[in-house]
Amino acid sequence: QKEVEQNSGPLSVPEGAIASLNCTYSDRGSQSFFWYRQYSGKSPELIMSIYSNGDKEDGRFTAQLNKASQYVSLLIRDSQPSDSATYLCAVNFPMDTGRRALTFGSGTRLQVQP
Amino acid sequence: DGGITQSPKYLFRKEGQNVTLSCEQNLNHDAMYWYRQDPGQGLRLIYYSQIVNDFQKGDIAEGYSVSREKKESFPLTVTSAQKNPTAFYLCASSLQGVGSGANVLTFGAGSRLTVL
Repeated sequence: QKEVEQNSGPLSVPEGAIASLNCTYSDRGSQSFFWYRQYSGKSPELIMSIYSNGDKEDGRFTAQLNKASQYVSLLIRDSQPSDSATYLCAVNFPMDTGRRALTFGSGTRLQVQP
Repeated sequence: DGGITQSPKYLFRKEGQNVTLSCEQNLNHDAMYWYRQDPGQGLRLIYYSQIVNDFQKGDIAEGYSVSREKKESFPLTVTSAQKNPTAFYLCASSLQGVGSGANVLTFGAGSRLTVL
């Protein structure tokens, strides 16, 4: 089982629509969750971080976390063509797993159609 | 401006050669990381260091080596033992500890290595 799982896509949405990106993770004890955006050929940049259950909003972006279901999502409202990129979910696994660095999913490619 | 500088941006290597990728940060971050990304894939951890003169293997350390002699610098050597080194290499750094800023990775622009 993959530790951080994402649908690879592409997820195609029309301009102005809501894009919904999903991520599941394997360890219930995980505490920190991140969404990174990566344009083709570029390095990832942080979009959102979330640490507690519920929603966290920042502009057009909303991160949602449900630790009981081991599920984190990213909603992008009023999607723009400039949002077309790959979105990487990253999880900080518990210290007792021996991990000291973020574990990334393989990413979901989002295409926003003008 | 604070940030992470990786060099070179593009590198070509013949089979059997070792190459070293440079990573320098001026963010005063304690922790530094190297990730590898293959086309259409996520990031896989090669090595990380939480403090000067100490580093730990990640998930795919075979064929790679690192050093951490200075807080600002974390070079990665891709050795001839790495069988499939063609990839996009990303260096990152973060604060350590607890709190909302800890473990948030800041990435360099990346180095793209191609084996001829």
